[in-house]
Amino acid sequence: SSVLTQPPSVSVAPGQTARISCGVNNIGSESVHWYQQKPGQAPVLVVYDDTDRPSGIPERFSGSNSGNTATLTISRVEAGDEADYYCQLWDSSSDQYVFGTGTKVTVL
Amino acid sequence: EVQLAESGGGLVKPGGSLRLSCAVSGFPFNNVWMSWVRQAPGKGLEWVGRIKSKTDGGTTDYAAPVKGRFTISRDDSKNTLYLQMNSLKTEDTALYYCTTVSLAFDIWGQGTMVTVSS
Repeated sequence: SSVLTQPPSVSVAPGQTARISCGVNNIGSESVHWYQQKPGQAPVLVVYDDTDRPSGIPERFSGSNSGNTATLTISRVEAGDEADYYCQLWDSSSDQYVFGTGTKVTVL
Repeated sequence: EVQLAESGGGLVKPGGSLRLSCAVSGFPFNNVWMSWVRQAPGKGLEWVGRIKSKTDGGTTDYAAPVKGRFTISRDDSKNTLYLQMNSLKTEDTALYYCTTVSLAFDIWGQGTMVTVSS
């Protein structure tokens, strides 16, 4: 099955933009979803189907997906955005859901 | 309010069995696909398995590490999802979440901890 590779960590200053990548061959042909997990809490869906946001998720969270890389972008980063972020997709070749390796976002 | 509440976790010896439950409220459970996702201590998320709604066939799919040992079922009359875990291994130690499957893994419970240790 697919291995979705994410950078282990991303550091960003408040007010700046954080970009988190999720890579695998031809990921652009799949629908990618993104989750935020704060310490001690359950994950929360923040982007689905590459670019859409569930109700209640700020517009600062956006997604894109093309070629071999999907990206979650967090604009105007706030201290409350500090969390682990995971990408995820359905691998139709193996009938498995797959999560990325996870990225810890630190707000400086 | 939509709520998912897992229960049934605990300490079990290697080779043992455990059944987890996920009680659902606040939405029409019978129409929703459901999944289990686990997270080992300090590690990332790992999908365990999924069950479709009965109207979509009620079939199940499992991740390779648990296939043949774990079974997902649902009781729509009780709005409850189950995970039967047999032949447990130390590497099954994790926090187990139930989730709805719609747009993606939309709604998550708070999880129940399973520890497999002698």
